[in-house]
Amino acid sequence: KNQVEQSPQSLIILEGKNCTLQCNYTVSPFSNLRWYKQDTGRGPVSLTIMTFSENTKSNGRYTATLDADTKQSSLHITASQLSDSASYICVVSAQAGTALIFGKGTTLSVSS
Amino acid sequence: DAGVIQSPRHEVTEMGQEVTLRCKPISGHDYLFWYRQTMMRGLELLIYFNNNVPIDDSGMPEDRFSAKMPNASFSTLKIQPSEPRDSAVYFCASSLGGGLNTGELFFGEGSRLTVL
Repeated sequence: KNQVEQSPQSLIILEGKNCTLQCNYTVSPFSNLRWYKQDTGRGPVSLTIMTFSENTKSNGRYTATLDADTKQSSLHITASQLSDSASYICVVSAQAGTALIFGKGTTLSVSS
Repeated sequence: DAGVIQSPRHEVTEMGQEVTLRCKPISGHDYLFWYRQTMMRGLELLIYFNNNVPIDDSGMPEDRFSAKMPNASFSTLKIQPSEPRDSAVYFCASSLGGGLNTGELFFGEGSRLTVL
């Protein structure tokens, strides 16, 4: 069964610290993996999209990594800011023509 | 572009009433998706359209749910009759070309539905 599991479920860190969020998937055959940021009360916004051949992609202070062999991805946030407080959702797609599979997200709280 | 526009942002209704949620996709996008988000289940795909034609509605939970896309710039999701378990945030998203899995999704701000 195609599944996406994220950990931890929630995380609290101090402003300025780094953190890493994890995503494990069992989707096959794999097409691409996306990370979305969802602020409270808003819609998800895309951070990165990675295909099979890409193992790292950055978007400002956000860096996503992908290991297609172990079917794992991580999202690293550097020098966290209060505005990073949000839910981060990992989304995996199989080859074209099938649905995107969403993780349930990691809720990050950055405190001052 | 203004992005994906959804209305209403909030809807509170009583059980048994009809609910209509509306979506205007980004101009030029040929795919439109309706998702439902709950704490328990996360984001779930309900239905998606390609060039205004419904392609996959297997995620629609019951016959009480229906969706239409009469033209490229407008879609509705209707629940009739509504039930308390339909309470959730409903998102509309659109994308351009590339098929379901390669086009980047742009989400609206969602419609929060509460059924009493």
